[in-house]
Amino acid sequence: EIVLTQSPATLSLSPGGRATLSCRANQSVSRYLAWYQQKPGQSPRLLIYDASNRATGVPARFSGSGSGTDFTLTISSLEPEDFAVYYCQQRSNWPLLTFGGGTKVEIK
Amino acid sequence: QVQLVQSGAEVKKPGASVKLSCKASGYTFTANYIHWVRQAPGQGLEWMGWINPNSGGTNYAQKFQGWVTMTRDTSISTAYMEVSRLRPGDTAVYYCAKDIYSGGWLGSWGQGTLVTVSS
Repeated sequence: EIVLTQSPATLSLSPGGRATLSCRANQSVSRYLAWYQQKPGQSPRLLIYDASNRATGVPARFSGSGSGTDFTLTISSLEPEDFAVYYCQQRSNWPLLTFGGGTKVEIK
Repeated sequence: QVQLVQSGAEVKKPGASVKLSCKASGYTFTANYIHWVRQAPGQGLEWMGWINPNSGGTNYAQKFQGWVTMTRDTSISTAYMEVSRLRPGDTAVYYCAKDIYSGGWLGSWGQGTLVTVSS
């Protein structure tokens, strides 16, 4: 089973700051990793897939990087609407999928 | 535009079953897999499985095999998920989501259905 571990659990930053979120897999997932954003009371939204491809309509301040077991989601300059929970997800062992536990980005 | 509209909230007793629906519009229903994901209160996302609306083929996370059943009705572009033998721990918001190319990326999500299991 592929396990995804996200860190930190909570990230406290100010608007305009730079957010760096980590997702680590217990075995290689190649580049088969995605990132989702979930705001309170809302459904998740796909941000990044295949490690670095932005989904349709996602602002350029969101970027993804990494391969193998270590991945990063970077938000270059936090906007007020970016404070949310972020999840990574892998599809390396398709047809099975798994999600990470999430990182909450909160206002400092 | 792509829309997934899910059925309304449910309250069930332990041991009961619930059948949730997810009506798709704005695209060809049979072209993309539909996934189901659940989220317990205050917790993270848990992938449950998918259905291929074209063939009806399914794949479930091991945890849900034997007590979750995914089906579809192509005539009304609707996917269903039935969860049997409900327990209080199954209390969660259940989401359906459309795969962007049937390879495991969930590009469009329904609004979620809250299922509460309580005696």
